[in-house]
Amino acid sequence: NAGVTQTPKFQVLKTGQSMTLQCAQDMNHEYMSWYRQDPGMGLRLIHYSVGAGITDQGEVPNGYNVSRSTTEDFPLRLLSAAPSQTSVYFCASSSSSGGTYEQYFGPGTRLTVT
Amino acid sequence: GDSVTQMEGPVTLSEEAFLTINCTYTATGYPSLFWYVQYPGEGLQLLLKATKADDKGSNKGFEATYRKETTSFHLEKGSVQVSDSAVYFCALSYQGFYGKLTFGQGTILTVHP
Repeated sequence: NAGVTQTPKFQVLKTGQSMTLQCAQDMNHEYMSWYRQDPGMGLRLIHYSVGAGITDQGEVPNGYNVSRSTTEDFPLRLLSAAPSQTSVYFCASSSSSGGTYEQYFGPGTRLTVT
Repeated sequence: GDSVTQMEGPVTLSEEAFLTINCTYTATGYPSLFWYVQYPGEGLQLLLKATKADDKGSNKGFEATYRKETTSFHLEKGSVQVSDSAVYFCALSYQGFYGKLTFGQGTILTVHP
């Protein structure tokens, strides 16, 4: 299993540009999430999904859109990038089976907005 | 709302020293508690977890006990190694909300030979 994969690893955008961060998992997990990591602030939840077709907002959803058309994929869209969105983005997946609660994280995407 | 607070500032230790990283939480219900570790350039990995009060999670020589009375989940290791150098995150979530973790700010651990 590849686990959770994210592309690209690095990205530089200009203010106002749009882009999509890709996330895929091959573990058949129902739950998928996007977090952003900023220095001194830990990880903060942007959006999450409890299954295909179902998404909800997390702590910091403004400026980001998500959709989940398949179990495997959960892309994160930045509609109009702003310097405040410079961060490292992590996708994660988890499953309710077994009651372990563990979230599996991808390697991250480092985004810089100039 | 829920929150997790970790001890301030980076931690620097010599190899074989004792490690404690403090974690306290504020929660509206009865969460499960986790420690995640992030090695340089990588994503987060689950280190250990505890799902109810007085549970002790352990893995790779690390331990943490879920203390409901003090709302704490401190991470300890008796003898650290250089390979333990990483960022450690305390986090909580609730059963049934598997997609939502609330994280502390992270603690950078550096272990010198």
